[in-house]
Amino acid sequence: EVQLVESGGGLVQPGGSLRLSCAASGFTFTNYVVNWVRQAPGKGLEWVSQIPRHTRAMYYAESVKGRFTVSEDSAKNSVYLQMDSLRAEDTAVYYCAREDCSGGSCHGFDVWGQGTLVTVSS
Amino acid sequence: QSVLTQPPSASGTPGQRVTISCSGSSSNIGRNTVNWYQVLPGTAPKLLIHSNDQRPSGVPDRFSGSKSGTSASLAISGLQSEDEADYYCATWDSSLNNWMFGGGTKLTVL
Repeated sequence: EVQLVESGGGLVQPGGSLRLSCAASGFTFTNYVVNWVRQAPGKGLEWVSQIPRHTRAMYYAESVKGRFTVSEDSAKNSVYLQMDSLRAEDTAVYYCAREDCSGGSCHGFDVWGQGTLVTVSS
Repeated sequence: QSVLTQPPSASGTPGQRVTISCSGSSSNIGRNTVNWYQVLPGTAPKLLIHSNDQRPSGVPDRFSGSKSGTSASLAISGLQSEDEADYYCATWDSSLNNWMFGGGTKLTVL
């Protein structure tokens, strides 16, 4: 079964750090683009970061640039989101999502994890 | 405030057809394809439409998408109670190198 499972969420104080993990099963991560998307309580979806396949550079939303770092471990078929200097406004459910970009075009975020809640509060 | 503009709410009665709009600019919708996601309460988003008008397997043909210029639309025909959810449009912004989501539209089935 094709599946993504996030872990690593929890309660952290402002200024603290947290590392989220996203483990894939049923497919090989390196064949797909991987994105992180978050949803704050009562708010809409917000894209956070992407590991593209056509370039070595990672992409980040302006709101997290310089504080969050995305990485992957192909041997573990996993992607990570290192979150530093956390702020109250980073409180959200964080999802990883697979993006199929085969055949020269991309076809949306077709597989999503169940999400992991990050709460930044003192 | 989102770069992509959606109406905050929409409604319809069972069996009706409703449309949800998504307005962007030349750097996002004007240059790239649009995807639509459905978010049911307490669940992860689900891909409804990709590449402007393509339905993934398993998505009922009651859902359709279109794009013209810097705007896109999602249409739901034969409205059902289980369609009550939040709907988001999304597209790549070539100027920002970012994915952009619309603010979301809450659909109520009366």
